[in-house]
Amino acid sequence: QKEVEQDPGPLSVPEGAIVSLNCTYSNSAFQYFMWYRQYSRKGPELLMFTYSSGNKEDGRFTAQVDKSSKYISLFIRDSQPSDSATYLCAMGLGGSNYKLTFGKGTLLTVNP
Amino acid sequence: EAGVVQSPRYKIIEKKQPVAFWCNPISGHNTLYWYLQNLGQGPELLIRYENEEAVDDSQLPKDRFSAERLKGVDSTLKIQPAELGDSAVYLCASSRGQNSPLHFGNGTRLTVT
Repeated sequence: QKEVEQDPGPLSVPEGAIVSLNCTYSNSAFQYFMWYRQYSRKGPELLMFTYSSGNKEDGRFTAQVDKSSKYISLFIRDSQPSDSATYLCAMGLGGSNYKLTFGKGTLLTVNP
Repeated sequence: EAGVVQSPRYKIIEKKQPVAFWCNPISGHNTLYWYLQNLGQGPELLIRYENEEAVDDSQLPKDRFSAERLKGVDSTLKIQPAELGDSAVYLCASSRGQNSPLHFGNGTRLTVT
């Protein structure tokens, strides 16, 4: 079992839809949780960063962390064609062993 | 602030040839990472630097890969000799330190023929 599992999709939705992206993990020591967006031939771009259970909102994006279930989600409201990209979840241990473990990424297409 | 800068963006070489990638992190970021991203996969850590010290190189194939970060700023990742399986995107990232988010460059796409 991989430390971080993410459904690779692809996921195709109409413009304006609510998108839900999810990851599960097995290492209960993970303390930091991130979502990155990666456009084709570009590097990953940080969307959300959190280190606690609960919800964090930033504009149309909401990140949700449930440490008891080892499950994180990213919700995109009112999705736009410009949201079409690969979304990567990433998780990190704390302290001196801080580094990120990534999911495989979910390819999202928002159709106008 | 300027982002992480990597060069070259693309590189095509024949197998058994050497290749080098360069990274300039965000100013003030002490931690620098090199990640490898294969097609359809998430990035995987190769090496992590705290200033000029390599603190985690457990995933770096040391028989052919080497890295350096002189003066704790820019970094170079080298492969010698390259193999067909090394074809991938090599990403550099930096952060302010432990427990801070990583910021990535646009990567170097390597093709080994």
